[in-house]
Amino acid sequence: DTGVSQDPRHKITKRGQNVTFRCDPISEHNRLYWYRQTLGQGPEFLTYFQNEAQLEKSRLLSDRFSAERPKGSFSTLEIQRTEQGDSAMYLCASSPGQGEGDTQYFGPGTRLTVL
Amino acid sequence: DQQVKQNSPSLSVQEGRISILNCDYTNSMFDYFLWYKKYPAEGPTFLISISSIKDKNEDGRFTVFLNKSAKHLSLHIVPSQPGDSAVYFCANDMRFGAGTRLTVKP
Repeated sequence: DTGVSQDPRHKITKRGQNVTFRCDPISEHNRLYWYRQTLGQGPEFLTYFQNEAQLEKSRLLSDRFSAERPKGSFSTLEIQRTEQGDSAMYLCASSPGQGEGDTQYFGPGTRLTVL
Repeated sequence: DQQVKQNSPSLSVQEGRISILNCDYTNSMFDYFLWYKKYPAEGPTFLISISSIKDKNEDGRFTVFLNKSAKHLSLHIVPSQPGDSAVYFCANDMRFGAGTRLTVKP
């Protein structure tokens, strides 16, 4: 088990461009989560999947953000028309999906810089 | 709205002493609280959790206390070691506090 992986680790883009991040969870983990973290803050919940179903989205999530988990395995997070305020660390996590108290296993994150 | 708050952004202690990290919450919707530890350039890693039916959970040098009436929990690290220096996050389901940066001085 190689843990949760994220690609790319760093992304620099110009304002207005689209970017896509990939997350590969721990195999057989049913749940997959996306978070955003900015300096001095904790991970901010964006969305999560139970298998391929997207069960919850933060109301803070702009419609420029979309996430998919087409086969219940890896997931992608796309940000369209990026803005400088999107600059942050984007964290992915997965968990077995055993219910409350489920431990989340985080990837190393993708650091996005929007110029 | 469910919130998890860590009001101390940083804490510095001497090696061998106790570290106490605090967390407050409002409107807990889930019965488990978790603590995660984060080193630079890595994602957070799970440290310890507590169920709301308990008021204490201990794992080696780490103990978490839960005071439901005060909506407060704390993480105790005894004795603190330099390798404990990291950012610690309190979480309730998918809601995380802002974190406390712990520095343990040799």
